[in-house]
Amino acid sequence: GENVEQHPSTLSVQEGDSAVIKCTYSDSASNYFPWYKQELGKRPQLIIDIRSNVGEKKDQRIAVTLNKTAKHFSLHITETQPEDSAVYFCAASKRTGGYQKVTFGTGTKLQVIP
Amino acid sequence: DVKVTQSSRYLVKRTGEKVFLECVQDMDHENMFWYRQDPGLGLRLIYFSYDVKMKEKGDIPEGYSVSREKKERFSLILESASTNQTSMYLCASSMDRGSDEQYFGPGTRLTVT
Repeated sequence: GENVEQHPSTLSVQEGDSAVIKCTYSDSASNYFPWYKQELGKRPQLIIDIRSNVGEKKDQRIAVTLNKTAKHFSLHITETQPEDSAVYFCAASKRTGGYQKVTFGTGTKLQVIP
Repeated sequence: DVKVTQSSRYLVKRTGEKVFLECVQDMDHENMFWYRQDPGLGLRLIYFSYDVKMKEKGDIPEGYSVSREKKERFSLILESASTNQTSMYLCASSMDRGSDEQYFGPGTRLTVT
């Protein structure tokens, strides 16, 4: 099955700096790569996603890049703010048996230091 | 706005008890999922359902069962709770088979003593 590895497991940055979280996946059939943010005590929520036919996607201060050949994708957060502090999960998804099966990474705890 | 609710935020049960975790979504979504979340392990899929009375095993189904009698409700059952099932349990839903985005509930933190 699909295996998604995520690094680093924890990340501390100064407010205003950039943060990068990296993920690799194993199944070349995966075609959708979402990123979820989980604030402390809250539910995970989708913040950005990318499909396999796109190399990069940006939404204000966050961007995601995808390298299909190398099977890795990354989340970039620029000008970090304290409210960016959360656990971030990457995921890889593919269609199997008529469904989109999602496999999550192990999560990165991002701390933005004011 | 999609709303996914779970019956309890915190639950404490004894080893060997039968435990029911309930999840309800109000957006007529076809797909529903149960995950457990453990530090360092991320979100792991226990079971999912793509229709009423249908269920499919996820990656870690052992020790769990599910029930989906109505479209909006998906229950996770621990037949005989064990201490290694102490975890955060998250329910999620998505619109239909082709949908990608999952909407999560607030989670139930289950402690088995």
